[in-house]
Amino acid sequence: EDQVTQSPEALRLQEGESSSLNCSYTVSGLRGLFWYRQDPGKGPEFLFTLYSAGEEKEKERLKATLTKKESFLHITAPKPEDSATYLCASTQGGSEKLVFGKGTKLTVNP
Amino acid sequence: GAVVSQHPSWVICKSGTSVKIECRSLDFQATTMFWYRQFPKQSLMLMATSNEGSKATYEQGVEKDKFLINHASLTLSTLTVTSAHPEDSSFYICSASGSVGNEQFFGPGTRLTVL
Repeated sequence: EDQVTQSPEALRLQEGESSSLNCSYTVSGLRGLFWYRQDPGKGPEFLFTLYSAGEEKEKERLKATLTKKESFLHITAPKPEDSATYLCASTQGGSEKLVFGKGTKLTVNP
Repeated sequence: GAVVSQHPSWVICKSGTSVKIECRSLDFQATTMFWYRQFPKQSLMLMATSNEGSKATYEQGVEKDKFLINHASLTLSTLTVTSAHPEDSSFYICSASGSVGNEQFFGPGTRLTVL
């Protein structure tokens, strides 16, 4: 069964303390690996799509990378406004359906 | 770009009534729209996939007669929860996908509370 597993479940950082979130996937025929940010009571906000191993994308303090088995979301010098739940999802084969991980709840303390 | 809206943002209804939720893609044509449900502290669970002008495809365990989906145009899909019961209370989120990159863009969600 196709699976997406995120770790850690929750992460507390001090402002400025860089770290990484992990997303491992067991998907046959990966079509895309997606990262979203979700704030409480809101819908997910699209961050990145990665398609092939070795690919990297950056946006402000966030950088997403992809290998054949996992993806990392690196957060450099985070600020309190980066606090949110970060969701990883994949699509596989000919399907457009997203398979979501359970998310990592990030809290950045000032 | 890629803005998706939902209406209403929250709704409270009595048990046994029906509730309609609208999902609109505001600045692009959505070939496919998706409906998700999210319970507290859980991730998103796909309910159904719909393409404009055709019947929705429901995920296993989702009652198609209870959750009616209409995708009448490339910018509008509706989800109707029929004869709602308290266990249907949840956060319902739609997403829309155009043709480029197959990214899904999500609406802000609708909080449904059934009394």
